[in-house]
Amino acid sequence: EDQVTQSPEALRLQEGESSSLNCSYTVSGLRGLFWYRQDPGKGPEFLFTLYSAGEEKEKERLKATLTKKESFLHITAPKPEDSATYLCAVQDSNSGGSNYKLTFGKGTLLTVNP
Amino acid sequence: GAVVSQHPSRVICKSGTSVKIECRSLDFQATTMFWYRQFPKQSLMLMATSNEGSKATYEQGVEKDKFLINHASLTLSTLTVTSAHPEDSSFYICSATKPSRLSTDTQYFGPGTRLTVL
Repeated sequence: EDQVTQSPEALRLQEGESSSLNCSYTVSGLRGLFWYRQDPGKGPEFLFTLYSAGEEKEKERLKATLTKKESFLHITAPKPEDSATYLCAVQDSNSGGSNYKLTFGKGTLLTVNP
Repeated sequence: GAVVSQHPSRVICKSGTSVKIECRSLDFQATTMFWYRQFPKQSLMLMATSNEGSKATYEQGVEKDKFLINHASLTLSTLTVTSAHPEDSSFYICSATKPSRLSTDTQYFGPGTRLTVL
């Protein structure tokens, strides 16, 4: 069974204080690892897809990296508007036929104080 | 872009009534649509997978007669919560898969529907 574990559950940072969120996963065959951002009362917003170990992707203050067992979401010099829940999800290449489901972690609630 | 809309965004109904939620992909044709529910401070729980023109596939423990899914076209899926009860109150979110020839399909999510059953 696919598993995704995110840590920490919650993280408080001061504006400008860089840090990283962790996503550890177990999957029989990784088709893709996804990062989403979710604001309260809204649906998740797509950030990145990573496919293979060693891959990195960046968007503004965010950079996502991937190894064979985990992914990190690095946040550089965060701003209060980066406050949100960050969700990690995996797609298993051995499941679902043509309907590739996502298995989500529980998320990390990030709060950036001004 | 990949925009997914949901309607309504918020609904309050009486116990025993049925509620329909619409999910539309606005600027692409979705190969697959998914329905999730989310409880407060918890992650998304997949309820069912839906393909246009075929029956939805429900996750274990989800009652298919309770949560009716119709996927009428490549841009529209509906979820009907039948004979709703207070325990059905939740945040329902749909997603639509945008196909890609170069990489894996990405799920784009709607803004969610807050259902409150009195």
